Amino acid sequence: KAGVTQTPRYLIKTRGQQVTLSCSPISGHRSVSWYQQTPGQGLQFLFEYFSETQRNKGNFPGRFSGRQFSNSRSEMNVSTLELGDSALYLCASSFTISHLGDQYFGPGTRLLVL
Amino acid sequence: AQRVTQPEKLLSVFKGAPVELKCNYSYSGSPELFWYVQYSRQRLQLLLRHISRESIKGFTADLNKGETSFHLKKPFAQEEDSAMYYCALTRHQGAQKLVFGQGTRLTINP
Repeated sequence: KAGVTQTPRYLIKTRGQQVTLSCSPISGHRSVSWYQQTPGQGLQFLFEYFSETQRNKGNFPGRFSGRQFSNSRSEMNVSTLELGDSALYLCASSFTISHLGDQYFGPGTRLLVL
Repeated sequence: AQRVTQPEKLLSVFKGAPVELKCNYSYSGSPELFWYVQYSRQRLQLLLRHISRESIKGFTADLNKGETSFHLKKPFAQEEDSAMYYCALTRHQGAQKLVFGQGTRLTINP
């Protein structure tokens, strides 16, 4: 079956703009998590959605938000972009919210903020 | 607070030699530990998790609660093992929030 897909794959924005990233999970998966990956901080958890509800949130400012739709697709939004938001944003899907569910990662969206 | 430490950013060994990638964690509860791997130009993928107690691609990892470690081992390294390896933990009950270590880049020399 098709893997996790993320769009767009690459994005260039300027400071102050906002951006929306999209993630389509594996068919049948209802849990979607988002991570930010940077050379300095590594992989950091942003938030997790299950059945259209945010179940868990990482330590990121309110400029980072997300949502999940009834078909389990998820979007994350970053408003008022800062240079430090430049990163690879990874989405992962899982069948269940349980810790036992394997997470399958997408290829990521690479965001560059100028 | 949950924290995962991988003390080695880079690790280089010769083909056929044993490999050990170190991972230490701090967590007040009972965590679930994982190893993820990212091969060149591929996605991050799950390698193994401690609850399964399985060997994947010759790799094993034992959870040592006394030393709060979850080191990844392989007795004989192969060139295709060259990749970035991440140790991660999540809490035992619910939630898919993974806390990752900084990763170790493993290079297997021919």
